[in-house]
Amino acid sequence: GQSLEQPSEVTAVEGAIVQINCTYQTSGFYGLSWYQQHDGGAPTFLSYNALDGLEETGRFSSFLSRSDSYGYLLLQELQMKDSASYFCAVRSMYSGGGADGLTFGKGTHLIIQP
Amino acid sequence: DSGVTQTPKHLITATGQRVTLRCSPRSGDLSVYWYQQSLDQGLQFLIQYYNGEERAKGNILERFSAQQFPDLHSELNLSSLELGDSALYFCASSPLRGGTYEQYFGPGTRLTVT
Repeated sequence: GQSLEQPSEVTAVEGAIVQINCTYQTSGFYGLSWYQQHDGGAPTFLSYNALDGLEETGRFSSFLSRSDSYGYLLLQELQMKDSASYFCAVRSMYSGGGADGLTFGKGTHLIIQP
Repeated sequence: DSGVTQTPKHLITATGQRVTLRCSPRSGDLSVYWYQQSLDQGLQFLIQYYNGEERAKGNILERFSAQQFPDLHSELNLSSLELGDSALYFCASSPLRGGTYEQYFGPGTRLTVT
């Protein structure tokens, strides 16, 4: 089976930096994705790591260590609008023979304080 | 706006009934995915279709079925509904067969079973 662990809630201050960790257990691992979801909204794609290292996209960066089955999402210069849930998700082999369906973690609720 | 549309936005029905949820993918996307999001189970992958054919299966119950039509829109059929089926159902699309890492989510259909 597959499982992902991430903290249920993280609190940070506006303008600061926050890191959301994710550890995973899966077979046939292809890559780790991160999605953001505001209350009542749809998940939106933030980043994807297939290889070890850091990927940077504006204020957001994502890191992957395949040997440690670990990744994190780094958010810099936090803004109030960053208050949302953040999900890590793995792409891995499914019984159907593809690598398409994502397995999501339970999500981390990020609270930004002024 | 991701370009993925879902109807209806809300659906209230009784136990034992059958409903159909509809999804239109982004223009040009051949893959459609269905996900269920509930408070206790989080976001769960149900099933994927690619260009009209079933591609991968996740945690989809036998009471649930889906199909993708020649115009690429997809329908998720839920039958013999139970209270526990109350959830947000998301459809997502992506352009590529396998190898994809970014999925575009629709706004979701909120199903309430009473």
